[in-house]
Amino acid sequence: EIVLTQSPATLSLSPGEGATLSCRASQSVNSNLAWYQQRPGQAPRLLIYDSVNRATGIPARFSGSGSGTDFTLTISSLEPEDFAVYYCQQRDNWPCTFGQGTKLEIK
Amino acid sequence: EKQLLESGGGLVQPGGSLRLSCAASGFTFSDYPMSWVRQAPGKGLEWVSAISGNGGSTFYAASVRGRFTISRDYSKRTLDLQMWSLRDDDTAVYYCAKARTGSWSYFDLWGQGTLVTVSS
Repeated sequence: EIVLTQSPATLSLSPGEGATLSCRASQSVNSNLAWYQQRPGQAPRLLIYDSVNRATGIPARFSGSGSGTDFTLTISSLEPEDFAVYYCQQRDNWPCTFGQGTKLEIK
Repeated sequence: EKQLLESGGGLVQPGGSLRLSCAASGFTFSDYPMSWVRQAPGKGLEWVSAISGNGGSTFYAASVRGRFTISRDYSKRTLDLQMWSLRDDDTAVYYCAKARTGSWSYFDLWGQGTLVTVSS
């Protein structure tokens, strides 16, 4: 199965700053990658699909890029509600797999 | 409003069984594959099982194959997960999740989760 490795494990930033989260696949997943946000005590929420497409209702400050094995989630200017855990997920190969997560915390 | 609502979690002894259910509303249930995804306490997300829109295809993670069975009931609009031979490492919050499109896809709708605790 494809292993997704997210970095960093924890990212400490202040509101208003920009954030860059990475996800690397053990083999090419083409553009078949998504990003999810999970706030404490809540279910995950789809942010980005097919590497670059924002899901319905997702603010424009969230953007995704990448293809093949290297992907990035960028948050242009952090809002207080953005501090959460972020997961990448691939659907290129069965079974779909998730990264281990990046915790975005307030500095 | 599109919604998924899980039920059936609880405390069960190792080797025991449990049946989870997920009630779907607000979308055409038969149009979308559905999955179960779990999250052990303090850990990340793990896909568990999936079923096609017409119910004809089912898939399982290696860790649960042969112990779990996924099914769906179109008249009740429910997704079920029957779990047997439960182990300590099956302890997790179990989420049901809807595929974003009619094919095997990402998950654009999640339930609130139901906690399964396997412990003696």
